Amino acid sequence: EIVLTQSPATLSLSPGERATLSCRASQSVSTYLAWYRQKPGQAPRLLIYDASYRATGIPARFSGSGSGTDFTLTISSLEPEDFAVYYCQQRSKWPLTFGPGTRLDIK
Amino acid sequence: EVQLVESGGGLVQPGGSLRLSCEASGFIFSSYEMNWVRQAPGKGLEWVSYISSSGTTIYYADSVKGRFTISRDNAKNSLYLQMTSLRAEDTAVYFCARGMTGYYYWGQGTLVTVSS
Repeated sequence: EIVLTQSPATLSLSPGERATLSCRASQSVSTYLAWYRQKPGQAPRLLIYDASYRATGIPARFSGSGSGTDFTLTISSLEPEDFAVYYCQQRSKWPLTFGPGTRLDIK
Repeated sequence: EVQLVESGGGLVQPGGSLRLSCEASGFIFSSYEMNWVRQAPGKGLEWVSYISSSGTTIYYADSVKGRFTISRDNAKNSLYLQMTSLRAEDTAVYFCARGMTGYYYWGQGTLVTVSS
């Protein structure tokens, strides 16, 4: 099973600041990695798929990069709705796996 | 408008069974792969199972293999998860989610609680 590790576990920033979230895979997943944002009590929302492609309707402040084992989600300027939990997910190999999440808190 | 609506959750005793359903609308259900994803209270996301658009290819997480069965009825636009031998650690909100490249559409989830 491919294990995804996300860092940091918690990130405290202010609105308008830049956020950089990391996801590392235990083996190469090529670019078969997605990012999700989840707000309390809601289903996750797809942000990025295949490492760097923004999902439909996702603002340009979200960008994804990386390949192989190291990936980054960058939020260029945080909006109030961005304070939530972020998960990465790999679809390179069965079973599919999610990372443990990064909580983005308001500082 | 794409909609996924789960149902069938509830309280069940350890060792019991439950069948979850996910009714789809707003898209051609038979053209899409589907998944079940769960989230234990206060915890992260866990992928549970996948089924191809035709139903011929199926995968499971190791934690549920041999106990859960995913299926679909394309004529009824419905996805199912038959859960048997339920354990306390299966307690979670269960979501159905469409796709494979990324799960753009999700249901609202249905809560399964396994407790005596």
